[in-house]
Amino acid sequence: GAVVSQHPSWVICKSGTSVKIECRSLDFQATTMFWYRQFPKQSLMLMATSNEGSKATYEQGVEKDKFLINHASLTLSTLTVTSAHPEDSSFYICSARAGGKSNQPQHFGDGTRLSIL
Amino acid sequence: AQTVTQSQPEMSVQEAETVTLSCTYDTSESDYYLFWYKQPPSRQMILVIRQEAYKQQNATENRFSVNFQKAAKSFSLKISDSQLGDAAMYFCAVGGNKLVFGAGTILRVKS
Repeated sequence: GAVVSQHPSWVICKSGTSVKIECRSLDFQATTMFWYRQFPKQSLMLMATSNEGSKATYEQGVEKDKFLINHASLTLSTLTVTSAHPEDSSFYICSARAGGKSNQPQHFGDGTRLSIL
Repeated sequence: AQTVTQSQPEMSVQEAETVTLSCTYDTSESDYYLFWYKQPPSRQMILVIRQEAYKQQNATENRFSVNFQKAAKSFSLKISDSQLGDAAMYFCAVGGNKLVFGAGTILRVKS
């Protein structure tokens, strides 16, 4: 149980294009989803928290106009990197938590490797 | 603000032996939770074990156990009977609504 699917797993695109990453909870309803960014051999950095039906809460320093997050249903959240540039290249990971209690663990997707040329 | 410190960038253990990964943290929250996640080369984050801060009893999950010292703000992970499949990056995470992750410890298992 508690499977989170993230798609695509790897994407390469040209500078200036927009890229959408999907995060789906397959066997549970995710009230809250999280988006992280991870640089090579480094820790996870939280970018934003999204709750179903409401606007995402972005961490300090994360540009909300560049990283658009939509959490339209209890099983789907999307991250769109708009007008992507090479510095946006990174590994992006989503997680989903069932219910509203913080003691519930976050279940992670497999991540998306984004390369901007 | 919360901080999580993993002071061991890398650890090695012989197969079948026991290893302990350390984690210390600081938080101003009164109600928080602690987790250990494992990230193998595939980069998927896998939950290893979790602990609720209000519980004094240390969590155990098969070969994995924690030593939670709340006053010292310490949350170490002990892996018994280490297996080759345990080799991975291990992250300690602490938080309430959102988690803060430590820098990670690379665990190598020698056969």
